[in-house]
Amino acid sequence: DADVTQTPRNRITKTGKRIMLECSQTKGHDRMYWYRQDPGLGLRLIYYSFDVKDINKGEISDGYSVSRQAQAKFSLSLESAIPNQTALYFCATSRSGSHEQYFGPGTRLTVT
Amino acid sequence: QQQVKQSPQSLIVQKGGISIINCAYENTAFDYFPWYQQFPGKGPALLIAIRPDVSEKKEGRFTISFNKSAKQFSLHIMDSQPGDSATYFCAASNVLGGATNKLIFGTGTLLAVQP
Repeated sequence: DADVTQTPRNRITKTGKRIMLECSQTKGHDRMYWYRQDPGLGLRLIYYSFDVKDINKGEISDGYSVSRQAQAKFSLSLESAIPNQTALYFCATSRSGSHEQYFGPGTRLTVT
Repeated sequence: QQQVKQSPQSLIVQKGGISIINCAYENTAFDYFPWYQQFPGKGPALLIAIRPDVSEKKEGRFTISFNKSAKQFSLHIMDSQPGDSATYFCAASNVLGGATNKLIFGTGTLLAVQP
């Protein structure tokens, strides 16, 4: 099902360009997360938000920013993309009081 | 201390065999240990999870074994099937400590089950 959607699904951009990845959810969850996945490194948390006015840095936030426009929308921006930001990016949601996170289908980003 | 170490990086198992993936952690404050399954082109999805008050949890062909003293936990897939071919991630979280629902993920294991 498409409870957590991410756009675009694939993106190729050049070094120095600004890019935004978008995440929307229809699950009614209050908590949202952005992760990046790299081969051999697993999933690493970039930013997380527990509600519209609560945004927190994860373990690898440098070079990224986020915006929680509404409970259902959480965007990730790369202000000036660099090649080592080439990765698979996942958005996830969870409900407060629950430990299960629900992931979107991912965005494959390539920075040349 | 926040790391979760996962092995092996990849695993090939024959159909009907047992797949075993291991994880180890350092932070004794972790109290929630899920396993996520990821198929190609999809996001990870929760497969099974365990709390440290039990040593084993079984759901169908999937079993988590937990060793609190060794700070290790493992996923066993019995009667492995080609449809189990996926990447598996272990994770850990400190739920009771105020928690933030933040998960620390292992590096992943790519499982291939050969027919």
